[in-house]
Amino acid sequence: AQSVTQLDSQVPVFEEAPVELRCNYSSSVSVYLFWYVQYPNQGLQLLLKYLSGSTLVKGINGFEAEFNKSQTSFHLRKPSVHISDTAEYFCAVSNTNAGKSTFGDGTTLTVKP
Amino acid sequence: DTEVTQTPKHLVMGMTNKKSLKCEQHMGHRAMYWYKQKAKKPPELMFVYSYEKLSINESVPSRFSPECPNSSLLNLHLHALQPEDSALYLCASSQDSGPGYNEQFFGPGTRLTVL
Repeated sequence: AQSVTQLDSQVPVFEEAPVELRCNYSSSVSVYLFWYVQYPNQGLQLLLKYLSGSTLVKGINGFEAEFNKSQTSFHLRKPSVHISDTAEYFCAVSNTNAGKSTFGDGTTLTVKP
Repeated sequence: DTEVTQTPKHLVMGMTNKKSLKCEQHMGHRAMYWYKQKAKKPPELMFVYSYEKLSINESVPSRFSPECPNSSLLNLHLHALQPEDSALYLCASSQDSGPGYNEQFFGPGTRLTVL
């Protein structure tokens, strides 16, 4: 079994400030990790993914995430956010033995001017 | 073409109506998915089709009936729904659904309201 915990349900931040959205996972086997963004009334868009190799993963829109196996974490970061980054962010895990993804409950990022 | 399209964008139906949601992709993907998403919640997997055959049904009530006419199309037939079925219904596709990495591409969703 696998699970995902997003530690913050809401993250308010001012424009141009750095942000970190936290994600922890549990799995009995190796995993693939993902961050998705969902803008209001839209589907999910993949921001970045960790499959293997380098633990620092760069994605679209200036986001990056670091896979930490010992802490079973995959936190999402951006050094300077924009108003347009306001959205719902979902962390997801898929283990290497099955194709199903498990999603976290989501973090609402609100960027204020 | 890396797009998954869904129609209609919005649907309002009564509890006695029969309606269908449609999803289409032209990426040559062989796996297609239906998810249900309530407000401020993550997507919940409903069905997975792999090579046009139903491979996963997450104990979804029979008032939801999926259909995969061909590898590019996925339908969700709706009948006798309840108000609590109101949600955003998302379709996704991936190259495959087996073990290993399968990036899912999501459509924009159909916003369903059951009166």
